[in-house]
Amino acid sequence: EVQLVESGGGLVQPGGSLRLSCAASGFTFSDYWMNWVRQAPGKGLEWVAITKQDGSVTYYVDSVKGRFTISRDNAKNSLYLQMNSLRAEDTAVYYCVRCPRGEHFDYWGQGTLVTVSS
Amino acid sequence: DIQMTQSPSTLSASVGDRVTITCRASQSVVSWLAWYQQKPGKAPKLLIYKASRLESGVPSRFSGSGSGTEFTLTISGLQPDDFATYYCQQYSSYPWTFGQGTKVEIK
Repeated sequence: EVQLVESGGGLVQPGGSLRLSCAASGFTFSDYWMNWVRQAPGKGLEWVAITKQDGSVTYYVDSVKGRFTISRDNAKNSLYLQMNSLRAEDTAVYYCVRCPRGEHFDYWGQGTLVTVSS
Repeated sequence: DIQMTQSPSTLSASVGDRVTITCRASQSVVSWLAWYQQKPGKAPKLLIYKASRLESGVPSRFSGSGSGTEFTLTISGLQPDDFATYYCQQYSSYPWTFGQGTKVEIK
């Protein structure tokens, strides 16, 4: 069974940093592109970042470029999102999402809530 | 960036109804379009990918059509479990973008 379990969310002050982790199991992690997608409270979905199977290619939504870094450790079956210079508008549930062939999103984690507030 | 616009934003329907949701892209996404269902407090679930391909395990009452800039999600015979919010998403070019969502409510 495919499982994606996020962790690392919490309350952080504006300008602070946080590192999210996603533990993957039930599939060959190194075969898949992986993503982070977020959802602000009561709002719609926003794609944040993607990484290729070996981590050699990454893309980001403009609003997080230069502040967020997506990375992965295939030996640990783990995906990460390093978030720096956090802003109130980054407050959201962050989902770890699998992406077959670099296309649509077929499996989602349960999400981890990040709250940026003083 | 490609803008995705869904209509309607809210839809009131009864069990058994045929429901259609439209998604329009600001430029062609060819067939690189997916549909997701989300229930309150839960992660989204993939229903349709590549515009019309039904994800494994998804009931056949869900269907998708369209190409280029106009797409539809149809639910043929709405079931109680289908009351939820639906999102379209393009994966033709980065940044990948979602529609604003369509909430299907009980009439």
